[in-house]
Amino acid sequence: GENVEQHPSTLSVQEGDSAVIKCTYSDSASNYFPWYKQELGKRPQLIIDIRSNVGEKKDQRIAVTLNKTAKHFSLHITETQPEDSAVYFCAARLNQGGKLIFGQGTELSVKP
Amino acid sequence: GAVVSQHPSWVICKSGTSVKIECRSLDFQATTMFWYRQFPKQSLMLMATSNEGSKATYEQGVEKDKFLINHASLTLSTLTVTSAHPEDSSFYICSARPTGTSGPQQYFGPGTRLTVT
Repeated sequence: GENVEQHPSTLSVQEGDSAVIKCTYSDSASNYFPWYKQELGKRPQLIIDIRSNVGEKKDQRIAVTLNKTAKHFSLHITETQPEDSAVYFCAARLNQGGKLIFGQGTELSVKP
Repeated sequence: GAVVSQHPSWVICKSGTSVKIECRSLDFQATTMFWYRQFPKQSLMLMATSNEGSKATYEQGVEKDKFLINHASLTLSTLTVTSAHPEDSSFYICSARPTGTSGPQQYFGPGTRLTVT
């Protein structure tokens, strides 16, 4: 089945710096790659997503890149702010059944 | 739009009892819902895919007789943890995929914190 690996597990940056989180997936049939932000005790919130027919997508300070050949995708957050501090999860959707498989998560800490 | 609720938001039960968690799509119909379990500081692990009007599909290693799923309507799926034990204590989150849309997005509920004493 699909396996999603996410790195790093923790990331600490200074306010204003950029943060990059990387994920790899195993199933080449996966075609949808969302990123979620989760605050403690809350539901995951979709922050950006990308489909397999697109290489890059940007939404203000957040961007996602996808390399289908290498089967990896990355989240880029620029001009980080303390309120960006949270746990971020990548996920891959299997073509069959539509279920999402999540990465292990990255705890991002943005220091003022 | 696309709101998913869960009830209860938290529950404490004694070992050996059963607990039912509800997942509702409030403003859309969902033929398919998903149930996840999340232990502290860990990722969301898919437990099962719930399909309206048919049996749920369980992920490998998830006991279907322990985690009973019923998806009796297009807006409601329930997860019953039977004979709960302390190791079942976790954060249970559902998600719902709108029926009739071509988009891949799922909408998550707020989660239910289960503590088994």
